[in-house]
Amino acid sequence: RKEVEQDPGPFNVPEGATVAFNCTYSNSASQSFFWYRQDCRKEPKLLMSVYSSGNEDGRFTAQLNRASQYISLLIRDSKLSDSATYLCVVNIRNNNDMRFGAGTRLTVKP
Amino acid sequence: ETGVTQSPTHLIKTRGQQVTLRCSSQSGHNTVSWYQQALGQGPQFIFQYYREEENGRGNFPPRFSGLQFPNYSSELNVNALELDDSALYLCASSRTSGIQETQYFGPGTRLLVL
Repeated sequence: RKEVEQDPGPFNVPEGATVAFNCTYSNSASQSFFWYRQDCRKEPKLLMSVYSSGNEDGRFTAQLNRASQYISLLIRDSKLSDSATYLCVVNIRNNNDMRFGAGTRLTVKP
Repeated sequence: ETGVTQSPTHLIKTRGQQVTLRCSSQSGHNTVSWYQQALGQGPQFIFQYYREEENGRGNFPPRFSGLQFPNYSSELNVNALELDDSALYLCASSRTSGIQETQYFGPGTRLLVL
């Protein structure tokens, strides 16, 4: 079983749609959680950290369920510029040993 | 722009050769992590350097080695290259080595091993 598993995708949605990505992790000792965004042939960039209480940043909402070892990302009112691969990331040790999922590709169409 | 730079941008090598990739961290950052990203996969953690010392290592063989310099720039060295080493190599710098520290990635070096 992979340490971090994500929806395989790809997700193709129209502008304005709401889309949700799911991620599960296997190591119960995981300590911090993130969503990164990676555009085609570019480096990953932090989208948001994920906190136990859930957090929101504009159109983006992240949720963490430690009991189920599950992370989600919700994007509301999708924009064309949201088209990218979204990477779920889990830090499993007390350093930056970050484990990335394989990513879910999103394409937002006009 | 993150302020993290990597060189070279692209590289072609043959099996058995050795390669050195370089990374300059963002100003004020003392931690550099290296990742390998194969096509269609997420980045895989190779190792991290914190204040010139290795501070954690992923599941990579010893032929992957690294250095961090007093100015916190870093090198990744790969010996005895194999075809499967073909990938995008990313370095990421962070202010320090804490679990909630944001990592800022460089643009990567694309390595092709023939």
